[in-house]
Amino acid sequence: GENVEQHPSTLSVQEGDSAVIKCTYSDSASNYFPWYKQELGKRPQLIIDIRSNVGEKKDQRIAVTLNKTAKHFSLHITETQPEDSAVYFCAATSGTSGTYKYIFGTGTRLKVLA
Amino acid sequence: EAQVTQNPRYLITVTGKKLTVTCSQNMNHEYMSWYRQDPGLGLRQIYYSMNVEVTDKGDVPEGYKVSRKEKRNFPLILESPSPNQTSLYFCASSPLRVSGANVLTFGAGSRLTVL
Repeated sequence: GENVEQHPSTLSVQEGDSAVIKCTYSDSASNYFPWYKQELGKRPQLIIDIRSNVGEKKDQRIAVTLNKTAKHFSLHITETQPEDSAVYFCAATSGTSGTYKYIFGTGTRLKVLA
Repeated sequence: EAQVTQNPRYLITVTGKKLTVTCSQNMNHEYMSWYRQDPGLGLRQIYYSMNVEVTDKGDVPEGYKVSRKEKRNFPLILESPSPNQTSLYFCASSPLRVSGANVLTFGAGSRLTVL
């Protein structure tokens, strides 16, 4: 079945450094790729997303890139801050024949060290 | 306030005792879904619904049932809970846009323990 692989599972960076999280999806029909951030004890919340007709999207310190040919997409966080510490989930979605599955990666725990 | 409300937030039960986790949204969203979150496994989709009376299995549907009789409600039913269903459960909803950019709004989560 469809799946999304996410790496690394944990990532520690010094405050001010950059962090990159990578995901690979299997379903070539996937057309929407959101990223969710989950702080400790909280619900996941969308931080950025990209559609399949776009290669890159940026929002202040975060950016997402998509390589449809390779079925890869990545989250980039620059100038990391302690409040960026959280678990990040990538997801891939596709809707065909009246279905709509939302497949998440296994998550990356990011620790920003002060 | 636009939100997804799920209840109960915490529940300890025993094997075999039927339970229902309710989920309600006030955003008129067509799409609703249930996920379970387990350490190292991320968020796995249990069931989803595209609209009233339309439901479909996600990746881990075994041991669960759902219904969508009204647009705003999407309860998760565990007919005979077992210890391997101990988990953190999230309900989420989204509109269904033609563009495919369907952002999920999550509930606060329900932590279930089955003894």
